[in-house]
Amino acid sequence: EAQVTQNPRYLITVTGKKLTVTCSQNMNHEYMSWYRQDPGLGLRQIYYSMNVEVTDKGDVPEGYKVSRKEKRNFPLILESPSPNQTSLYFCASSLQGYSNQPQHFGDGTRLSIL
Amino acid sequence: AQKVTQAQTEISVVEKEDVTLDCVYETRDTTYYLFWYKQPPSGELVFLIRRNSFDEQNEISGRYSWNFQKSTSSFNFTITASQVVDSAVYFCALSDNFNKFYFGSGTKLNVKP
Repeated sequence: EAQVTQNPRYLITVTGKKLTVTCSQNMNHEYMSWYRQDPGLGLRQIYYSMNVEVTDKGDVPEGYKVSRKEKRNFPLILESPSPNQTSLYFCASSLQGYSNQPQHFGDGTRLSIL
Repeated sequence: AQKVTQAQTEISVVEKEDVTLDCVYETRDTTYYLFWYKQPPSGELVFLIRRNSFDEQNEISGRYSWNFQKSTSSFNFTITASQVVDSAVYFCALSDNFNKFYFGSGTKLNVKP
């Protein structure tokens, strides 16, 4: 089944404790992206990647890191999480290395930073 | 800077009513793409439609239709004869020349039986 898989789905942690949210897709997609969803703000793009070893900042990259060492994986790293990073996070992928394609989204990861 | 505005935060209708969700965008790019996504109460995001900036033809898919007007920078979404299963949050989005995505804040549609 074609899918984007995020782990964990839920996480409660404390300020300053490094965490990684994994994202994996099995569709051989080139474009991958991370978003955060906050009430009243919709989805905001954090980072995106057009292909392996190619990443770039979205609208709200501060406090986040990403890497794209393999085509299928695009982990989101919070080196020193803070309470303002409490949010619902989505990973997405699309076929070609451009943002003009429909994106397939993962089921989301709800992060709570205390 | 790119921007997508969905001024309607929440809309409530009774089943079988028609409803239009508004989307207004700002961009200086001549080439861009517009999208609509649906987020039902279960939380997943579902792609509905994509339009490029050179294609202003309206589109109809079953009870759904989309009206793209470059003159007013709008890409509105109409649901005809709404059903309870249409209850969801709907997001309008724009992708630009730099491969970034910009989403609106979403419109929550409540369809009551």
